Amino acid sequence: DVKVTQSSRYLVKRTGEKVFLECVQDMDHENMFWYRQDPGLGLRLIYFSYDVKMKEKGDIPEGYSVSREKKERFSLILESASTNQTSMYLCASSPRAGSYTFGSGTRLTVV
Amino acid sequence: AQSVTQLDSHVSVSEGTPVLLRCNYSSSYSPSLFWYVQHPNKGLQLLLKYTSAATLVKGINGFEAEFKKSETSFHLTKPSAHMSDAAEYFCVVSGFTHALNFGKGTSLLVTP
Repeated sequence: DVKVTQSSRYLVKRTGEKVFLECVQDMDHENMFWYRQDPGLGLRLIYFSYDVKMKEKGDIPEGYSVSREKKERFSLILESASTNQTSMYLCASSPRAGSYTFGSGTRLTVV
Repeated sequence: AQSVTQLDSHVSVSEGTPVLLRCNYSSSYSPSLFWYVQHPNKGLQLLLKYTSAATLVKGINGFEAEFKKSETSFHLTKPSAHMSDAAEYFCVVSGFTHALNFGKGTSLLVTP
């Protein structure tokens, strides 16, 4: 089975800290995605990537950046964490035309 | 751009009665449409997907959905609800960019 692994299940950070959320997939998928999930808002796309060193903004990229130096790893970076970035973050991957696999999520709390 | 609208944020049914979760989509392209389910404190699970083959799509756990282009709808149904169906359901569209666009979710409550 394809696995998408998010490095942390729970994370607590302070306002203003730089935060790295890591996502690794093990099936050589071209596409990788970062979403945040908030009650009543569903999942919203932050950034996605079609290939190494490529990135595209999603619907809510403000306050975030991403890095994809290797095909299997897609990192989400909060440059200066704020309380409104407290959320559940979900990573996903897919082949060029195929099914998605989601990670189990990282619940980030910014205090 | 592609988007979906889930018409009900909460649906409550009695066990053994039919389930209907409504979803309308908007897409400039021939869309791929999905329904995902998320049980409390669990990950997302794919229920079914439509990718321009048969308009009636059968999924797991007795769920099915019908793609109606004339109504731009993709409603999810199940003939008889079970207590274990209580969860959050997301209607999702994928278009040109291959990124998934999620609806805001419908919370299904099943009462005994």
